[in-house]
Amino acid sequence: GAVVSQHPSRVICKSGTSVKIECRSLDFQATTMFWYRQFPKQSLMLMATSNEGSKATYEQGVEKDKFLINHASLTLSTLTVTSAHPEDSSFYICSAPRDTQAKTQYFGPGTRLLVL
Amino acid sequence: DAKTTQPTSMDCAEGRAANLPCNHSTISGNEYVYWYRQIHSQGPQYIIHGLKNNETNEMASLIITEDRKSSTLILPHATLRDTAVYYCIVSHAGNTGKLIFGQGTTLQVKP
Repeated sequence: GAVVSQHPSRVICKSGTSVKIECRSLDFQATTMFWYRQFPKQSLMLMATSNEGSKATYEQGVEKDKFLINHASLTLSTLTVTSAHPEDSSFYICSAPRDTQAKTQYFGPGTRLLVL
Repeated sequence: DAKTTQPTSMDCAEGRAANLPCNHSTISGNEYVYWYRQIHSQGPQYIIHGLKNNETNEMASLIITEDRKSSTLILPHATLRDTAVYYCIVSHAGNTGKLIFGQGTTLQVKP
């Protein structure tokens, strides 16, 4: 069964509103989680590293004030897309390390965001 | 992390072995080879990883050449459900966990 869940699975919102996406690790703790974005017919692009109890680390070119990440517990990280615009429409995916071999990861099922 | 090169697409007949190549000629001694796949509209799925020895698990086998400059992922009996984009990633092990995805190989399994 799924070991990383995301909610919602899909969301439609109006331009200018904010959208929160949750990523949960099920039955295991994750001090670090990762957020990716994927546009149609493209590969996954790493957006940021979510760190439990501290600030997220953003990849170059990703606006930290637009994509707010909170990792408030060992099983939950949230990504909030603030003041969403149509160009933010994408497939957002989170992941968490399976074990101490951190590069082997569980991925969530993804959240499809459509901004009208 | 070392750069990888994969064919853009491949076809495979159902029930036959699917052999997906990956070139990583600049791999360094402590970098692992990781394979993930992404079925359409789903999150990626970890398949297998290795350092220098060949590896096998319930999903696939990973064959790494002796010079480590290339590898092959083998799905021994491909099914239609194996149709997906397969990503070969070369990276240091460790607790950063960052994965940088390339374009991958789209494998189409045909009946």
